Amino acid sequence: ETGVTQTPRHLVMGMTNKKSLKCEQHLGHNAMYWYKQSAKKPLELMFVYSLEERVENNSVPSRFSPECPNSSHLFLHLHTLQPEDSALYLCASSQDRGTGNTGELFFGEGSRLTVL
Amino acid sequence: AQTVTQSQPEMSVQEAETVTLSCTYDTSESDYYLFWYKQPPSRQMILVIRQEAYKQQNATENRFSVNFQKAAKSFSLKISDSQLGDAAMYFCAYRAWGAQKLVFGQGTRLTINP
Repeated sequence: ETGVTQTPRHLVMGMTNKKSLKCEQHLGHNAMYWYKQSAKKPLELMFVYSLEERVENNSVPSRFSPECPNSSHLFLHLHTLQPEDSALYLCASSQDRGTGNTGELFFGEGSRLTVL
Repeated sequence: AQTVTQSQPEMSVQEAETVTLSCTYDTSESDYYLFWYKQPPSRQMILVIRQEAYKQQNATENRFSVNFQKAAKSFSLKISDSQLGDAAMYFCAYRAWGAQKLVFGQGTRLTINP
């Protein structure tokens, strides 16, 4: 496997469910990101992890809980979501320091979430 | 706060023609990166081209080139010899040097007419 992979690709959940989105990067990067993409809105940065430490949390509701157990894996735990949370959730990775720092993010294919 | 603006929600072009997508940004930083990403219906965001602000020379990648005007804070993307596979959403993005955050514009949907 290469690049950034996200699972599941599609997820439908009720407002009382608990589910998780998973992201794995095979690029040797040291930073990982969650972005939310809703229709007719710019991509919104949710969380950033650098060297497995959360460095940015953009006022995201607590019903979204990120976890970064190591530099290759990132999770987004979901509980008691609202219908307006339905969106495409994109994971990305980058090399933030040292050799290979080109500033760009490498994205996965996204997880399409529908909250009923 | 840094912002990125794409004023063209939709554009269309005939196959083999040239099209230019506009992007402006606002920042007080002097060192930063600018990017154009492409998002086809398959949803994966793919980097098209990248520009470092300290470089005066405009970046070029095959049929894709940019017109970077630092003083005007403008960063347009020119696609030459448009192909059907170029149809996608195109996002302009900004990242300050040393910052974690990549800030995106609203996107431009590009349609290629055969």
